[in-house]
Amino acid sequence: NAGVTQTPKFQVLKTGQSMTLQCAQDMNHNSMYWYRQDPGMGLRLIYYSASEGTTDKGEVPNGYNVSRLNKREFSLRLESAAPSQTSVYFCASSSTGTGTQYFGPGTRLTVL
Amino acid sequence: RKEVEQDPGPFNVPEGATVAFNCTYSNSASQSFFWYRQDCRKEPKLLMSVYSSGNEDGRFTAQLNRASQYISLLIRDSKLSDSATYLCVVNFYTDKLIFGTGTRLQVFP
Repeated sequence: NAGVTQTPKFQVLKTGQSMTLQCAQDMNHNSMYWYRQDPGMGLRLIYYSASEGTTDKGEVPNGYNVSRLNKREFSLRLESAAPSQTSVYFCASSSTGTGTQYFGPGTRLTVL
Repeated sequence: RKEVEQDPGPFNVPEGATVAFNCTYSNSASQSFFWYRQDCRKEPKLLMSVYSSGNEDGRFTAQLNRASQYISLLIRDSKLSDSATYLCVVNFYTDKLIFGTGTRLQVFP
């Protein structure tokens, strides 16, 4: 049982480059989330998807786009990476209304 | 003011000690409350939910005071394996969670 998987685990980008972070869950959850975690800031919600076909902005959406490809997959795209986007990115999923989220192992992104 | 506030620590305690963490939240309409645990360079994982009447899970006890908008976590008989960051988490409305910045615990032999 894989739970929530993320790829890649590590990535180094140059300013202005683009990339897509992939996330998949095999728990049949409706809701999926993308967070970033920075020292002293805690986890901050970037985007979330309450169900297949819907996405909504979170606390820090600027510079990011998302796609809920199907019920299993939720991707995060950086169109033009900036050093301020250096962070650890976590994907999570949950069943509707439970309040319990399951996290992937994270992607450590450095933008030079 | 942050929506969920925690003392960042670190709390350094010997094995066998009892340690308590506190957390305050700003939105009185908050509905659900949780403690998550995050090991160094790992993903957060649910430790326990927090109920109005208080609840216990082995060595861990969680308390909620809605009037004071205050949540606590008590760990008894600390183990080396309890060393981690403990995140206070609040749910304001369906499915979106607000995370505190975490309290770091270091248990030493």
